[in-house]
Amino acid sequence: GQQLNQSPQSMFIQEGEDVSMNCTSSSIFNTWLWYKQEPGEGPVLLIALYKAGELTSNGRLTAQFGITRKDSFLNISASIPSDVGIYFCAGPSFYRGSQGNLIFGKGTKLSVKP
Amino acid sequence: DSGVTQTPKHLITATGQRVTLRCSPRSGDLSVYWYQQSLDQGLQFLIQYYNGEERAKGNILERFSAQQFPDLHSELNLSSLELGDSALYFCASSPLGEKLFFGSGTQLSVL
Repeated sequence: GQQLNQSPQSMFIQEGEDVSMNCTSSSIFNTWLWYKQEPGEGPVLLIALYKAGELTSNGRLTAQFGITRKDSFLNISASIPSDVGIYFCAGPSFYRGSQGNLIFGKGTKLSVKP
Repeated sequence: DSGVTQTPKHLITATGQRVTLRCSPRSGDLSVYWYQQSLDQGLQFLIQYYNGEERAKGNILERFSAQQFPDLHSELNLSSLELGDSALYFCASSPLGEKLFFGSGTQLSVL
């Protein structure tokens, strides 16, 4: 079925380093979303992508919609301690009865050492 | 602050019991979604309501039910609770489309 595979599962980096993470699927998606979840909070939408090849930025965050429509990438430049959290990719389900609702990857947990 | 309000923040109960989780969507949002987050399964879609009507169903157990009221707030009812139901339950709302705004969640612990 539809599944989103995120890698890496976790990252431990030094403050100031750049971060790259990705999300892949065996299914084609027409929309990719990236969310961040901090401890004790719900996921917060960071970036939404709607077209293959699209590159979108939100401050130090940049996400890309893969050309094959089966993957997406998120980069964070010059990381800071407040970037700590779990980053999820998500895409709409196409299963009947559940159409349009989001499927989430298992997340990439980011830790930043000051 | 996403504008989505969930209560209570924490809930501790015993197996076999029934609980109700409450959600108030962002002002103007007609759609409400319920998700369950557990360590092994991640974020799983349970059910969606749009303007009071059930719109879509995901991996929701028969012991669970939900409704959306005329004022658009929603409740998720969990009954005959089992240890495995312990999880974070999130409500989200959206005006249209896939951009969901999540509440802070209800942490349910079944002992």
